[in-house]
Amino acid sequence: KAGVTQTPRYLIKTRGQQVTLSCSPISGHRSVSWYQQTPGQGLQFLFEYFSETQRNKGNFPGRFSGRQFSNSRSEMNVSTLELGDSALYLCASSPPSGRDTQYFGPGTRLTVL
Amino acid sequence: AQSVTQPDIHITVSEGASLELRCNYSYGATPYLFWYVQSPGQGLQLLLKYFSGDTLVQGIKGFEAEFKRSQSSFNLRKPSVHWSDAAEYFCAVSNTGFQKLVFGTGTRLLVSP
Repeated sequence: KAGVTQTPRYLIKTRGQQVTLSCSPISGHRSVSWYQQTPGQGLQFLFEYFSETQRNKGNFPGRFSGRQFSNSRSEMNVSTLELGDSALYLCASSPPSGRDTQYFGPGTRLTVL
Repeated sequence: AQSVTQPDIHITVSEGASLELRCNYSYGATPYLFWYVQSPGQGLQLLLKYFSGDTLVQGIKGFEAEFKRSQSSFNLRKPSVHWSDAAEYFCAVSNTGFQKLVFGTGTRLLVSP
């Protein structure tokens, strides 16, 4: 089975721009979660989608949003980018009845200049 | 609120020596507990998980972890470390059923020859 895939792997943007990151979960997984990883704040939960609905949300400003499609693929969007948004964005998918076990993709490295 | 503490930021171990990485958690009920490993520039790989039952769990790559409720700990161990084990290790707890992992700050493992 293919693992979680994320595109693009690397991205450079400038302040004020917006960005969209994509995540394709493992086949059969319906839950997709997003995390932000920075040296200062570590790994922080952004949000989780299941069957095209946001089920959980972390403590991030409204500039961070996401969605999930009927094939379980997910996108996250960050609008009005700030320097502090530079991070590794990780996507994880969970199997049905996976008891919260999450399988992570390689991440998208976003650099904001 | 849940929290996870990994008290050691860096640990250096000689190749072939044993390893123990510490993890303490704060959670009201019996948590789901996880250990993940991250190699430089990569996503997170699941090493092992604890949900219930036997408190000693076996994982991949020869790792094991022991859940001790009385100490609120879930320490990761390996009897003989290989150079390829050099990476960053994250302990995580989940608020069961909500697909949201709370991570510790990580422990960077260095393996000396």
